[in-house]
Amino acid sequence: GNSVTQMEGPVTLSEEAFLTINCTYTATGYPSLFWYVQYPGEGLQLLLKATKADDKGSNKGFEATYRKETTSFHLEKGSVQVSDSAVYFCALRSSSGSARQLTFGSGTQLTVLP
Amino acid sequence: GAGVSQSPRYKVTKRGQDVALRCDPISGHVSLYWYRQALGQGPEFLTYFNYEAQQDKSGLPNDRFSAERPEGSISTLTIQRTEQRDSAMYRCASSSGGSGEKLFFGSGTQLSVL
Repeated sequence: GNSVTQMEGPVTLSEEAFLTINCTYTATGYPSLFWYVQYPGEGLQLLLKATKADDKGSNKGFEATYRKETTSFHLEKGSVQVSDSAVYFCALRSSSGSARQLTFGSGTQLTVLP
Repeated sequence: GAGVSQSPRYKVTKRGQDVALRCDPISGHVSLYWYRQALGQGPEFLTYFNYEAQQDKSGLPNDRFSAERPEGSISTLTIQRTEQRDSAMYRCASSSGGSGEKLFFGSGTQLSVL
């Protein structure tokens, strides 16, 4: 079956530090890959996505590249801000059959200190 | 409304009672999903609707769980004879449909079964 493995948190960084949150996946075929972010007390929001190998998703300074050879979709940001403090979820959706559901990783809590 | 609305925000019930959780999706959104999220984990798929048709209920853990969306808009997730292990955050999401669609999540209903 499909699965997503994320770097365990919590992660604590100082403002302007470089961020990497690792994500690897197991899936058949060519899944679509996503990063969702959850701010305190809110629902999950789509941060970025990539639908095929070597695609790079980007949004709000965050980037992730779909690497089929390493089955990875690591999230990066060059300079984090306090406002980036949140929980980050990596997710995939299978390309096979009629499956529409997302499979999520367990989430990584990020805290950015001023 | 502007976003996905879920009610109640919190629900505390005694073991053995039935509960009904409501989701009001973004107006016009065709697809509606229910997820369950345990503390410290990512959301886990429960079921999915396209308009009023329940397309996939493979994630419902047992026959105590059911969901409906009779008019293709508001959905209700019902849990009968609740058990303590049912305690979790229940999240609803909606989307406009199509491949690679963006999901919009509600803030969730926190269910506690005593």
